[in-house]
Amino acid sequence: ELKVEQNPLFLSMQEGKNYTIYCNYSTTSDRLYWYRQDPGKSLESLFVLLSNGAVKQEGRLMASLDTKARLSTLHITAAVHDLSATYFCAVTPWSWGKLQFGAGTQVVVTP
Amino acid sequence: EPEVTQTPSHQVTQMGQEVILRCVPISNHLYFYWYRQILGQKVEFLVSFYNNEISEKSEIFDDQFSVERPDGSNFTLKIRSTKLEDSAMYFCASSEMGQGQSSYNEQFFGPGTRLTVL
Repeated sequence: ELKVEQNPLFLSMQEGKNYTIYCNYSTTSDRLYWYRQDPGKSLESLFVLLSNGAVKQEGRLMASLDTKARLSTLHITAAVHDLSATYFCAVTPWSWGKLQFGAGTQVVVTP
Repeated sequence: EPEVTQTPSHQVTQMGQEVILRCVPISNHLYFYWYRQILGQKVEFLVSFYNNEISEKSEIFDDQFSVERPDGSNFTLKIRSTKLEDSAMYFCASSEMGQGQSSYNEQFFGPGTRLTVL
């Protein structure tokens, strides 16, 4: 069974500093997603990573994928308060398959 | 921008009652999914649906659960006899069916229905 591990599970960030969230998965995956969830809200898609070496950036967030290591990272540059949320990675073994989610990383950004 | 919609936003029911959660997927999407998230926990897959039949289901999706696409727009999840442990946020998602390895086939999530079983 496809297993997804995220760490850390909780990340207290200081504004202006850089941080990284890690996502490991256990078996070959077709693609990897990063989602953001605000409290009580739905899942907002941030990135979809398809291939080895894929890197995507949006604002202060950058995601990368290493399929050989079965590892994705979400890098936050110069954290700001409005990035406070829970971030999930999810993988699927095939194109329209179920998403297997990690446990989520709760991010709190403080001044 | 097209989006997945879900109704109701919050449903409160008594244990043992039947509930139906409704979803309207994005109109040109062909794959539909239900997930749930117990408060403070991770998102769990329940079932996927394509071409009017279940494509894949999880161990959670037992005989108490069923899904249906009763018309061209709605996609429903029925829980026949609710239990306390069914209390969760239920998310519907949909995906188009792009061809080729480069197609993202991203799953877009609805706002969720919070189910509370008393």
